[in-house]
Order: sequence, then C-alpha cells, then structure tokens
Amino acid sequence: GEDVEQSLFLSVREGDSSVINCTYTDSSSTYLYWYKQEPGAGLQLLTYIFSNMDMKQDQRLTVLLNKKDKHLSLRIADTQTGDSAIYFCAARSGYSTLTFGKGTMLLVSP
Amino acid sequence: DVKVTQSSRYLVKRTGEKVFLECVQDMDHENMFWYRQDPGLGLRLIYFSYDVKMKEKGDIPEGYSVSREKKERFSLILESASTNQTSMYLCASSSGGRGNNEKLFFGSGTQLSVL
Repeated sequence: GEDVEQSLFLSVREGDSSVINCTYTDSSSTYLYWYKQEPGAGLQLLTYIFSNMDMKQDQRLTVLLNKKDKHLSLRIADTQTGDSAIYFCAARSGYSTLTFGKGTMLLVSP
Repeated sequence: DVKVTQSSRYLVKRTGEKVFLECVQDMDHENMFWYRQDPGLGLRLIYFSYDVKMKEKGDIPEGYSVSREKKERFSLILESASTNQTSMYLCASSSGGRGNNEKLFFGSGTQLSVL
C-alpha cells in the first residue's frame, strides 16, 4: 500500500519562507493534500493538488509536485508565528482511503 | 461551514469499561471516519463508513467496533478499554464517492485516557 514520509520537525524565523517536504510511494496517487493541525485541535485542510498539476498557489501557500520523484512540498511565504502547527501530507490513490504522513512540526520563532 | 462535533473533549475511563465515542456532522456527508493519533505514529485509520449502516475496517480495527445508524452520526465503541487505547481520537467526514477528491473535515478530537 501507499506509504507517506515527512521530516518530523522544522524551525524557521518569522518572515522567512518555510518549506515542508513529503515523499510518497504509490505512483498512481491521484490527489495529494496538505492538512494543518493547531495545538489542541483537529486537522484542517489547507490545500490539495491533482496529480496532473505541477504547481498550485494559494495566497502564501505554494504546492509543488514532482511526479517523477514522487515528491510533494509545501512552501509558506512570510511565515508567521500563527503558522506554528503540525502539517500533514496525505495521498490518495484509486479507491483507497487517504494515507497520512506522520506530520511535520513547524516552529516559528519571533 | 462544515461542523464535525465530537461529544467529549477529554474522557477518563477504567480498564475493562465499555466506552462510546460519539461524532456528529451537520453537512449531510456520506462518508465518516475514525482515526487515532499518537505521538510519533501520526494518524491511523480505525474504521470508516461510506454509507449509513455500512462500515469497513481500517488499518487498526482490533479492539474497536463502530455503529452508523443515521447518516449524521458515527460512533466508535471500545468493547473493553485497555491502557494501550489511551490516545487522541479524531472523527472526520467527507462528501463524494470513493476515488473522488475527498476532502476530510475533522472534529476537535477526544483525548481518551484509560487507567
């Protein structure tokens, strides 16, 4: 089945860009997602990308997809302290349910 | 906005008790899911349901069961709670059929402690 891997921790300074990386194993994954979890809360969908796209931009968020390397990244421009959270990458292929990575904790310092 | 409501934010139970975790969504979603979240292990799917009265096992169904008698409600049942079931439990819902772009909406979670 699908396996999704992410680095566990990222620390940046306020105002810098953050890049969170993710790799997946199933080349037939059709939808790829980024979710955000703030402390004490459930996950909320940030953005998603279809497998026929290479890039998607949504305000401060840029998602890049490299299908050849099965690599997904989330770039947050002008990172703010309010962006401190756990970010989960998730992939979906065929009729299976979503497979989540273990999450990357982003810490933004002033 | 979609709202997924989990009945308890924190729950403390004793080993061997039968535990019910309730989840209600208000957007007429067909699909509902139960996950548990543990440090270092991420989210693991316990059970899911793509229609009323239907249920399917996820990756870690042992020790759990579910009930979906109404479209908006999905209950997770721990038949005999054990300490290794201490965890954060997250309910989610989505619309659309299998294989489609299925965007999940999550509840705030129930932190269950089994003593």
